[in-house]
Amino acid sequence: NAGVTQTPKFQVLKTGQSMTLQCAQDMNHNSMYWYRQDPGMGLRLIYYSASEGTTDKGEVPNGYNVSRLNKREFSLRLESAAPSQTSVYFCASSETRGGYGAKNIQYFGAGTRLSVL
Amino acid sequence: DAKTTQPPSMDCAEGRAANLPCNHSTISGNEYVYWYRQIHSQGPQYIIHGLKNNETNEMASLIITEDRKSSTLILPHATLRDTAVYYCIVSTALIFGKGTTLSVSS
Repeated sequence: NAGVTQTPKFQVLKTGQSMTLQCAQDMNHNSMYWYRQDPGMGLRLIYYSASEGTTDKGEVPNGYNVSRLNKREFSLRLESAAPSQTSVYFCASSETRGGYGAKNIQYFGAGTRLSVL
Repeated sequence: DAKTTQPPSMDCAEGRAANLPCNHSTISGNEYVYWYRQIHSQGPQYIIHGLKNNETNEMASLIITEDRKSSTLILPHATLRDTAVYYCIVSTALIFGKGTTLSVSS
């Protein structure tokens, strides 16, 4: 199993450009998440999708939009990139959101390293 | 949402036990504690989780205090490959703080 796959792995944008980060999971998980990680910092939750058809804001949603395309795929869009969005972006999935025990274990992708000039 | 507090860094000699503490004093009765680690800039990797009882798996042991306000992750025989950032999170909070940077040296 591939687990959680993120594309692209690296991206350089100019200020004002737009792009979509793709995430797909093959574990039949209900819940998916987008985090960002700045140098020397922990992960901060941008958006999550508890189940297909639902999305909710996390800690730092401004400047981003998300789409839960189907159960497998959860994309993150930057409409007008800014230098402050330079970061490493991680997608994760879990069997449930707010469930108990093993159902809440998150599985992470390898990340997308984004630079906005 | 329950938050956690961890020391920013710890050192451990190779072959010795690494004991990483975590404070989660506002945890609710049905919230689990999860531990992850992040090696270099890879995606975080799940290690272990628990509710009340102590837990052990092939990677580590988790000791949770009786009042559930704190826990300790134990790597019984640390190796150089265990050098990483370790995160303790509470199930519903989805808050990954800065974690503890564990440095294992020979």
